[in-house]
Amino acid sequence: NAGVTQTPKFQVLKTGQSMTLQCAQDMNHEYMSWYRQDPGMGLRLIHYSVGAGITDQGEVPNGYNVSRSTTEDFPLRLLSAAPSQTSVYFCASSLPGRAGGTQYFGPGTRLTVL
Amino acid sequence: AQRVTQPEKLLSVFKGAPVELKCNYSYSGSPELFWYVQYSRQRLQLLLRHISRESIKGFTADLNKGETSFHLKKPFAQEEDSAMYYCALSPNSGNTPLVFGKGTRLSVIA
Repeated sequence: NAGVTQTPKFQVLKTGQSMTLQCAQDMNHEYMSWYRQDPGMGLRLIHYSVGAGITDQGEVPNGYNVSRSTTEDFPLRLLSAAPSQTSVYFCASSLPGRAGGTQYFGPGTRLTVL
Repeated sequence: AQRVTQPEKLLSVFKGAPVELKCNYSYSGSPELFWYVQYSRQRLQLLLRHISRESIKGFTADLNKGETSFHLKKPFAQEEDSAMYYCALSPNSGNTPLVFGKGTRLSVIA
C-alpha cells in the first residue's frame, strides 16, 4: 500500500494562475479531506468528502474547488491563485464512522504564490 | 460548536525533564480525542487516541471529562521528541471532520 500520495511536492505559481493539487489513496477509505497548514494557525480544513460524489466545505473553502468522482482520488483546484494561498497543503483519508477518526495524511504539497 | 485549544505555541524543555502538552476542548457530547505528531519535514501521523489507552513512545494522555482536557505527558523528554504536536477532536457524528488545535511546537534541548 502506498497510503495517501500527493503531487506535486512543491509548486510555485504566479498570482492569478490556476492549478490542481492531486491526492490519491489506495486504502479504500471513504472519507477524504484537504487541510492547509500555516504558522500559528495550525491545520485548517478546506474541503472534505464522505464518499464518491459527495463533498462539503470546511473552515476555509474560498478560492478552492474539489470533486470526488472516485473513491481513490480527491483533487483540490485553485481557481485563481493568490499570495494568501501560500501554504502547505495536506490531504488525509480515513474510514467512516467513530472508529474511523484516525486520519492518514499525505506528505504534503508546499505551494508558493508570487 | 466544538473547539480545541492548545494554549502553548512553543514549549521548550531540557532532555530528561518531564513534558506536558496541554489540550482543552469544548464539546457538549462524548468526543473522541487524538494526538497527532509531525516531525520535521514529515507528514502528520497519529501518536495516540484516548480510546486505546496505550503509551506510544513513552507518551500518555488521559481524557478528563470534568476538566475537558486531554493533556499529553511524558516523564523524560528525549531530543527525538522535538516536533509539532496537534490535539484533535472527533465529534459523536461519524462523518463530521476532525477539529484540530493550533498545535504546540516541542523543542527538547540537549
